[in-house]
Amino acid sequence: DAKTTQPTSMDCAEGRAANLPCNHSTISGNEYVYWYRQIHSQGPQYIIHGLKNNETNEMASLIITEDRKSSTLILPHATLRDTAVYYCIVDGGATNKLIFGTGTLLAVQP
Amino acid sequence: GAVVSQHPSRVICKSGTSVKIECRSLDFQATTMFWYRQFPKQSLMLMATSNEGSKATYEQGVEKDKFLINHASLTLSTLTVTSAHPEDSSFYICSVQEDRSTDTQYFGPGTRLTVL
Repeated sequence: DAKTTQPTSMDCAEGRAANLPCNHSTISGNEYVYWYRQIHSQGPQYIIHGLKNNETNEMASLIITEDRKSSTLILPHATLRDTAVYYCIVDGGATNKLIFGTGTLLAVQP
Repeated sequence: GAVVSQHPSRVICKSGTSVKIECRSLDFQATTMFWYRQFPKQSLMLMATSNEGSKATYEQGVEKDKFLINHASLTLSTLTVTSAHPEDSSFYICSVQEDRSTDTQYFGPGTRLTVL
């Protein structure tokens, strides 16, 4: 499975959009990009996933570059409850496993 | 997505005792469940893949005789930490895979194990 690179931490003002980047330059054609988040002392929460096209759901939008080597998770109006570690994971489904990296700690500031 | 529960949410035990953690899929029949553990300030590490009706598949470095996994039904998987020691103190999290065509997993709330 391809490796991902994310910034260690980011700040965002409450009410503003939070844009979380992820690099996955070694991604292969059949690998999906998944985003999860983990609020302190809780289990991870699924956010969104995509293959090639941009995706949007009630939680967030996922923008994948045309070459698929990077992506951005967008939380359109961040709230204090969005403070969490956000994990970007690339997986092709061959093993059914999700390998978690260190993620990005997003701190939403009042 | 699938709703997953874990019991207990917290457990404190003495060194040398065994602890059982339950993971239940409340609204979905899960043929595959996963067990992770997370040490403080670290990321999640996959321990094993639990398949209903068959033996679990353990990740490299995880002792199968110490971490016993039973997945006897489509809604319940259990992880038993046998002869627990302080270094087994960790946050244990299970997940279910809802759709075999993707790797989307839905996670339980986790169990905090403290071994004294």
